[in-house]
Amino acid sequence: GENVEQHPSTLSVQEGDSAVIKCTYSDSASNYFPWYKQELGKRPQLIIDIRSNVGEKKDQRIAVTLNKTAKHFSLHITETQPEDSAVYFCAARGTGRRALTFGSGTRLQVQP
Amino acid sequence: GAGVSQSPSNKVTEKGKDVELRCDPISGHTALYWYRQRLGQGLEFLIYFQGNSAPDKSGLPSDRFSAERTGESVSTLTIQRTQQEDSAVYLCASSSPQGSSYEQYFGPGTRLTVT
Repeated sequence: GENVEQHPSTLSVQEGDSAVIKCTYSDSASNYFPWYKQELGKRPQLIIDIRSNVGEKKDQRIAVTLNKTAKHFSLHITETQPEDSAVYFCAARGTGRRALTFGSGTRLQVQP
Repeated sequence: GAGVSQSPSNKVTEKGKDVELRCDPISGHTALYWYRQRLGQGLEFLIYFQGNSAPDKSGLPSDRFSAERTGESVSTLTIQRTQQEDSAVYLCASSSPQGSSYEQYFGPGTRLTVT
């Protein structure tokens, strides 16, 4: 089945700096890669997603890049703000089942 | 509109007891998923329902876990003879097959504590 690795596990940046979180996946046929933000005690919320037929997608300060050859995808947050502090999860949707396989999460802390 | 709802929000039970968790998906969403999230960890897939198809149970960790779904509505996750390692937040999500959206919408979760 699909396996998703996520790095780093924790990331601390100064307000205004950029943050990058990276994930790799194992199923070369995976076709959907969402990123979720989870604030303490709350449900995961989708912040951006990308399909396998696209290399990059942007939404204001957030962007995701996908390298299908290397089987990795990354989340980029620019001009970070304290409210960006949360745990971020990457996920991949393989072809074997429609449920998502999640990475282990990255705790992002933005220092004011 | 209403999002995914789950009940109870918190459940404390004694080891060995059975528990039942409930999920109400977004109306019209034919796909429903259960995930488990242990403290400080990622989400583990448990089971997936899609319409009237046979559920994908490949993520259930043992035969103490089971789930049912009535048509395209409510789902219940049952854990029999609970163990301390079952303590976690159980999250339900639903998605719509309409168009090309794959987005899964999560409920607030049920925090299960087994003492």
